[in-house]
Amino acid sequence: DTGVSQDPRHKITKRGQNVTFRCDPISEHNRLYWYRQTLGQGPEFLTYFQNEAQLEKSRLLSDRFSAERPKGSFSTLEIQRTEQGDSAMYLCASRTLAGANTGELFFGEGSRLTVL
Amino acid sequence: GENVEQHPSTLSVQEGDSAVIKCTYSDSASNYFPWYKQELGKRPQLIIDIRSNVGEKKDQRIAVTLNKTAKHFSLHITETQPEDSAVYFCAATVNQAGTALIFGKGTTLSVSS
Repeated sequence: DTGVSQDPRHKITKRGQNVTFRCDPISEHNRLYWYRQTLGQGPEFLTYFQNEAQLEKSRLLSDRFSAERPKGSFSTLEIQRTEQGDSAMYLCASRTLAGANTGELFFGEGSRLTVL
Repeated sequence: GENVEQHPSTLSVQEGDSAVIKCTYSDSASNYFPWYKQELGKRPQLIIDIRSNVGEKKDQRIAVTLNKTAKHFSLHITETQPEDSAVYFCAATVNQAGTALIFGKGTTLSVSS
């Protein structure tokens, strides 16, 4: 297992278009998180899953954003009708709740979105 | 919900000096406090963490202290080296619940030789 992978790494789109990002977590990790990071800021929580169940969504998350984890493995994050303010790095992370070091989040490399 | 404040936003030190970054949190239920390091263009990576049943933890040149009464925790880096230059984020959560880590805004540490 090579860690958390995200695809695509970069996406440039025009305002109003829809985009979708994919995240493949570490295989034994049942928790999967999406964060958004803009330049000079810390990762901002968007939503998270335990297996296929979406347990929490940030109050800041617009209804243009939707995330799924249909089989409890990979997850997708879709942004509809993109706006320039959506330009950011979208980070996926996973963790396990089992074992001694259950707190550590393992991040992917991120998907950078640029909305023109 | 949890809110994490981090200071300073930037920190410049000379090689060999110590660096201290401080964070405060709002949710008294939080019991897990990690620190992540993010180098330019890279993903955040865990460098050290502390749980609420201890007040201090050390790993070589890095240490973290926690004051649960005051709801603040700090990262201490001694004998800084140029490769310590990065952005450091603190975070807090209720660990057993598996809820999301809430991050501070980050501190950009620059170590000059």
